[in-house]
Amino acid sequence: DARVTQTPRHKVTEMGQEVTMRCQPILGHNTVFWYRQTMMQGLELLAYFRNRAPLDDSGMPKDRFSAEMPDATLATLKIQPSEPRDSAVYFCASGFLPNSPLHFGNGTRLTVT
Amino acid sequence: QQQVKQSPQSLIVQKGGISIINCAYENTAFDYFPWYQQFPGKGPALLIAIRPDVSEKKEGRFTISFNKSAKQFSLHIMDSQPGDSATYFCAASGNQFYFGTGTSLTVIP
Repeated sequence: DARVTQTPRHKVTEMGQEVTMRCQPILGHNTVFWYRQTMMQGLELLAYFRNRAPLDDSGMPKDRFSAEMPDATLATLKIQPSEPRDSAVYFCASGFLPNSPLHFGNGTRLTVT
Repeated sequence: QQQVKQSPQSLIVQKGGISIINCAYENTAFDYFPWYQQFPGKGPALLIAIRPDVSEKKEGRFTISFNKSAKQFSLHIMDSQPGDSATYFCAASGNQFYFGTGTSLTVIP
């Protein structure tokens, strides 16, 4: 059963440190999304890629966040420097768009102290 | 502008009752409308989806009702069970996905 894999599942770090989250999308999917979930904001779109090309990263704070897709099997989301307000669960999702379902990973729970 | 509006924010239903969650969308170009179910500590998982050429889709106890003219769709959970307690998200998609803000459903035994 194909699934989206995210690592690490949990990350605790101190303010100012760099954080890298990784995602392995489902093979053959052409679109990869990064979402952030908090109690207050629900599912917040950060960035997404189509065929590895970034299409929209307007949801990301550009000064500290960056998203890349170095190859079809890996998407990364980096935060540098991290801040306590970045504490949230970060989800990666992939799909064969348009008009097909997204498949989510189980997320990375980030805590910045 | 919020592309998909979802209500209610939370819902409490007795076991065996019907749970109803509503969504409204803005863009008539959307042509795929999924519902996702999320349990604590897990990512959202596809529950059921509909395309705008049909008005209703049923899978077991879960039914989507779709009203194209009103730009609204809803999820009905029949015979709600405590195991259905979760957060539910509606979404609308074309080339991009837009999610509602979620509904926390609690089914009381």
